[in-house]
Amino acid sequence: NAGVTQTPKFQVLKTGQSMTLQCAQDMNHNSMYWYRQDPGMGLRLIYYSASEGTTDKGEVPNGYNVSRLNKREFSLRLESAAPSQTSVYFCVTTGEYEQYFGPGTRLTVT
Amino acid sequence: AQSVTQPDIHITVSEGASLELRCNYSYGATPYLFWYVQSPGQGLQLLLKYFSGDTLVQGIKGFEAEFKRSQSSFNLRKPSVHWSDAAEYFCAVGGTGGFKTIFGAGTRLFVKA
Repeated sequence: NAGVTQTPKFQVLKTGQSMTLQCAQDMNHNSMYWYRQDPGMGLRLIYYSASEGTTDKGEVPNGYNVSRLNKREFSLRLESAAPSQTSVYFCVTTGEYEQYFGPGTRLTVT
Repeated sequence: AQSVTQPDIHITVSEGASLELRCNYSYGATPYLFWYVQSPGQGLQLLLKYFSGDTLVQGIKGFEAEFKRSQSSFNLRKPSVHWSDAAEYFCAVGGTGGFKTIFGAGTRLFVKA
């Protein structure tokens, strides 16, 4: 039982490049989220998916897209990376109340 | 507006001393309150949570927190800090289903010998 897994763990991109962050959970939860964490800013919600087949914008969705591929998988895509997207990205799933975090992806955009 | 404020960006305490991390929230409905801990390079781990009932809740690693509705606070405490408690601590507030849980900016705890 791995919980929430994310790939890759680290990534360096040049400005304008694209990439997809992958997330999978084996907890059979309906809801999944993508957060970004920046120093002094806490965690900010990018997108969330309340259930398979639905996605909604969070607090900071600009520059990102998501796909809820099935109940297990929720991917985050950066179409044209910008230095402002340098951050640590966490995939999260929620049980009835509390949240379960993946290990994070550290992304640097130069 | 819904928000969580952690007034202290960082705190330094001596090993063996007591600890209190402050958290204030603004939330329109009955809040569900959480404290998470993050060690360097790791995701967030749940320390404790409050939904209802006894306003003093116990968590893992010897932590406890007290919900005070009148002060809109949910402060985290530990009687005796260990060096391994050095980490960043996040207070969070949310509702049912965990939708749009709001996190504070975090308080980094340093422990000196």
